[in-house]
Amino acid sequence: EVQLVESGGGLVKPGGSLRLSCAASGFTFSSYSMNWVRQAPGKGLEWVSSISSSSSYIYYADSVKGRFTISRDNAKNSLYLQMNSLRAEDTAVYYCARVGGSFTFDYWGQGTLVTVSS
Amino acid sequence: QSALTQPASVSGSPGQSITISCTGTSSDVGGYNYVSWYQQHPGKAPKLMIYEVSNRPSGVSNRFSGSKSGNTASLTISGLQAEDEADYYCSSYTSSSTPWVFGTGTKVTVL
Repeated sequence: EVQLVESGGGLVKPGGSLRLSCAASGFTFSSYSMNWVRQAPGKGLEWVSSISSSSSYIYYADSVKGRFTISRDNAKNSLYLQMNSLRAEDTAVYYCARVGGSFTFDYWGQGTLVTVSS
Repeated sequence: QSALTQPASVSGSPGQSITISCTGTSSDVGGYNYVSWYQQHPGKAPKLMIYEVSNRPSGVSNRFSGSKSGNTASLTISGLQAEDEADYYCSSYTSSSTPWVFGTGTKVTVL
C-alpha cells in the first residue's frame, strides 16, 4: 500500500524557517517524481514544487522561488521542503504527492499544517 | 501561470447528473491530454478521480466521467449521491515554466 506521511509543520514567525519531510513507503520511491502542493485555509490547491526521481529536474512556483528548496533522499525514501523567509501568505496545509504516469498526482499524504504568524 | 477557471459551486439533487467545467488555454488544457480531476472532502487529502482527461483509476465509480473540448475540460457526475458532496479540482500539465496548474475549485452540493 502506498503511503505518504508528512511531518515538520508548526507555528513559525514571519521571516523564520521550517523544514517539512515526507516519508514514503509501499512503492519504489526512487522511480517517481514527487511534488509539494499546498492549500491555504479555505482556499484552493496550489502547486508548490516538483523534483524528478533522480533530482535532475526541479521546479518551483513563482510564489516560493528563491525561498523554498525541494530535495529528496532516495536511500531514506524521503522528500523534503526547506522553507525560508516565511511569510503570512505561506500559511497552509502542505501535501506531498506522487506523480504517477501522465503528469498525474496519483497519491497524496494527509498533509501538515504550517502557520506563519507573530 | 494563472489558475484554471472552474465554477465556484454546482448543485444537484440525488440521482441527477452535474457537470463541472475547467477552462484553461492552449498552453495547458487545450495543448495536452494531461488533465486530471481530484475530489476533496473537508479536512481530507485530495483523491484522484480522473486522469488523462477521461480515464478512471481503479476503484473510482463509473459515475464519474471526463471529457475535453478545446481549452475546456469537464467532469460529469451521474447518478449524484450524498457522498459526492465535496470540493473538486482540475489540474493540467502546462508548457509554462511551472509544469502544473490547478483549477480554482468547485464545491458540489447535493440538495
